[in-house]
Amino acid sequence: SQQGEEDPQALSIQEGENATMNCSYKTSINNLQWYRQNSGRGLVHLILIRSNEREKHSGRLRVTLDTSKKSSSLLITASRAADTASYFCATGNYGGSQGNLIFGKGTKLSVKP
Amino acid sequence: DAGVIQSPRHEVTEMGQEVTLRCKPISGHNSLFWYRQTMMRGLELLIYFNNNVPIDDSGMPEDRFSAKMPNASFSTLKIQPSEPRDSAVYFCASSFQGGFGNQPQHFGDGTRLSIL
Repeated sequence: SQQGEEDPQALSIQEGENATMNCSYKTSINNLQWYRQNSGRGLVHLILIRSNEREKHSGRLRVTLDTSKKSSSLLITASRAADTASYFCATGNYGGSQGNLIFGKGTKLSVKP
Repeated sequence: DAGVIQSPRHEVTEMGQEVTLRCKPISGHNSLFWYRQTMMRGLELLIYFNNNVPIDDSGMPEDRFSAKMPNASFSTLKIQPSEPRDSAVYFCASSFQGGFGNQPQHFGDGTRLSIL
């Protein structure tokens, strides 16, 4: 069953602009993860935020988590054409044993040079 | 370091044929996942293993699909007989689950399957 739902489904911006993608989920989680998928490739893990964390940074990436609203956002600052990809959120749930993650349908980001 | 290796990268076959997809997880990882990705349904978990034991196969669409993990370094996903609606990209992923919480998964580059 779908857990994470990303918003928007597609986003087109100019190089240098910031890109913000949102993710909503339904059940209690132990962590939330963001992945990137380039065309024709597998998903690549970007960042993990635990349920007791509110914000996390990694390079040009900033992730926030609001467990009261069951939502997360991924901000990519100063975007580059190479950031063009699909971005997915995935949740690890309490009771979701053995490492299972539930992925959303993704946001397709296009960064125009 | 070698990542998750999947083979073949592309497979085109006629309906009714048996299809076998292969996966070599990252050495040391103890969990392995098979996913299917289509435009319509997104990324779907088919089955996952922990320490070579199938934990949840509720995502396997029907009895035509089967998966095995005979040892820690190899897994197969088999479709027999194949149908056109099985056409999709199939991904294998692995992770190390050793403590609290769901750890990041490492994905292979997938097998693009076309059933004619």
